[in-house]
Amino acid sequence: GQQVMQIPQYQHVQEGEDFTTYCNSSTTLSNIQWYKQRPGGHPVFLIQLVKSGEVKKQKRLTFQFGEAKKNSSLHITATQTTDVGTYFCAGTTSYDKVIFGPGTSLSVIP
Amino acid sequence: NAGVTQTPKFRVLKTGQSMTLLCAQDMNHEYMYWYRQDPGMGLRLIHYSVGEGTTAKGEVPDGYNVSRLKKQNFLLGLESAAPSQTSVYFCASTPSSGRAEQYFGAGTRLSVL
Repeated sequence: GQQVMQIPQYQHVQEGEDFTTYCNSSTTLSNIQWYKQRPGGHPVFLIQLVKSGEVKKQKRLTFQFGEAKKNSSLHITATQTTDVGTYFCAGTTSYDKVIFGPGTSLSVIP
Repeated sequence: NAGVTQTPKFRVLKTGQSMTLLCAQDMNHEYMYWYRQDPGMGLRLIHYSVGEGTTAKGEVPDGYNVSRLKKQNFLLGLESAAPSQTSVYFCASTPSSGRAEQYFGAGTRLSVL
């Protein structure tokens, strides 16, 4: 079946280091969304990418959508303790079905 | 503006008991979803609804039933709870399409003993 995978599953970084999580789909996606879930909280929408090769920035966060629309990445520059949480990608298939990846859990060591 | 509200926030059940989780949204959204979240497995779709009076099965529907009698409410029922249903349940809604961003409730933490 259709799957969305994320790597790594966990990442521990020193505050100030950069962080990247990768999202890969087994099928071509219509769009990809990214969500952040703080510990004990609920997923909160960050951004949506639609176009092939699209790059969007939100302050220290950079999101990319692959040329083939099957992969995406989230890069955080100079992590802060407020970045702690789990980052999920969610891909929408051609049938309007949304599939969440398993998430990457980020820990930031002060 | 409350957004998406889930009740209850916590619940402990014994095996075989039944319960209903309520999700209410005040954004006039058409689509509503129920997910369960287990460690290392992300969010798995249980059931969803594309409008009042409609429901459909998601990825893991067994053991659950849903109803959408009113546009703003989406109910998730467990008829006979099992320990495998211990999880965190999230409700979400979107305005009109599966391609739009999802707004999540705060979640219900359910333990089945």
